[in-house]
Amino acid sequence: QQQVKQSPQSLIVQKGGISIINCAYENTAFDYFPWYQQFPGKGPALLIAIRPDVSEKKEGRFTISFNKSAKQFSLHIMDSQPGDSATYFCAASSRGFGNEKLTFGTGTRLTIIP
Amino acid sequence: EPEVTQTPSHQVTQMGQEVILRCVPISNHLYFYWYRQILGQKVEFLVSFYNNEISEKSEIFDDQFSVERPDGSNFTLKIRSTKLEDSAMYFCASSEPGRDYGYTFGSGTRLTVV
Repeated sequence: QQQVKQSPQSLIVQKGGISIINCAYENTAFDYFPWYQQFPGKGPALLIAIRPDVSEKKEGRFTISFNKSAKQFSLHIMDSQPGDSATYFCAASSRGFGNEKLTFGTGTRLTIIP
Repeated sequence: EPEVTQTPSHQVTQMGQEVILRCVPISNHLYFYWYRQILGQKVEFLVSFYNNEISEKSEIFDDQFSVERPDGSNFTLKIRSTKLEDSAMYFCASSEPGRDYGYTFGSGTRLTVV
């Protein structure tokens, strides 16, 4: 019940295209859903996050869509660029005082080709 | 921009030896974490730490592991009697109250047990 399932495992998108990565969760106590971007040899960096009280959040070229009833959320990268090539992880947590454990998805290796 | 600093970046140790991984969290953050990532796999929660004590730990964090905040700036992960399967990237992270800022992860320590 603590798992976060992520797909696809890898994704190749042409420059300028839309990259879409999907995640699903089971634990209804989760109430915070961040996406992390990781470049080789680096730690995950927070990209964008959403709470279940909204269905969509947009920051620049990055959008999270959230479907509470389906327990699914997705990351859309518009106008994908070669610099977006990285591994993307979705994650989830349930807000608790002093307990901010993140449960990560399995990751998506995104490659943007010219 | 404030950073979480981890040292060393790479450590090689013999099986059965003890290692200490070091982290300097962001100064005004109150929550501290260790995660690990086995090569090519997802990021896994190990332990969270708040107010000088462990808030939560995962099944991975057994008696072989311990954490300490020996002074006002450092946060350490000690692994006693390392095993081959402890080989992984270990990430330290910190966060502040009002968690919408998310975690800040360090660049990690690659631990290789031979």
